[in-house]
Amino acid sequence: AQTVTQSQPEMSVQEAETVTLSCTYDTSESNYYLFWYKQPPSRQMILVIRQEAYKQQNATENRFSVNFQKAAKSFSLKISDSQLGDTAMYFCAFSNNRKLIWGLGTSLAVNP
Amino acid sequence: GAGVSQTPSNKVTEKGKYVELRCDPISGHTALYWYRQSLGQGPEFLIYFQGTGAADDSGLPNDRFFAVRPEGSVSTLKIQRTERGDSAVYLCASSFGTGTEQYFGPGTRLTVT
Repeated sequence: AQTVTQSQPEMSVQEAETVTLSCTYDTSESNYYLFWYKQPPSRQMILVIRQEAYKQQNATENRFSVNFQKAAKSFSLKISDSQLGDTAMYFCAFSNNRKLIWGLGTSLAVNP
Repeated sequence: GAGVSQTPSNKVTEKGKYVELRCDPISGHTALYWYRQSLGQGPEFLIYFQGTGAADDSGLPNDRFFAVRPEGSVSTLKIQRTERGDSAVYLCASSFGTGTEQYFGPGTRLTVT
């Protein structure tokens, strides 16, 4: 069975600084997708970034980038130039083309 | 265009009652997913549909939970004989086929008293 582990329940960062959120996963499959979702207090789950396992190049989306280490089964999210609006829960998720399997989340606070 | 919508946004019911939660996916999305998110937890998969049929219902916790998608668009999650442990946010998502990004609705917060 696939599992997703986020070992940092809470993190904080100063505005404009950089922060990295950790995620590890376990699977025996070779073809899969990894995601980071953001959930602000409004509850709306928002896709931040997506990585296909067959791609060696790390995905980037503006201030968000990932460090995907397939052999180590690690998928960390780096947020550069943190903004107050980045304050939210961040979830790492794994997909085998069907359902999403989620970590417990990391609560990120961006401080002014 | 319009995103995924869910109604009601909040539902309070008494233990033992029956509830229905509705999800209206993005137009044209063939796949629809239900997840349950308890307080302080990540979402937990319940069921997903490809078209009208349930492709995987392995996450439904017991036979009190049932979901339908009769015309391949709107879906209804039905919970019979609700229990206090059913209290959670129920999230719906849709995607244009499996393996692509899932777009989420705002969720329905169910409280069983």
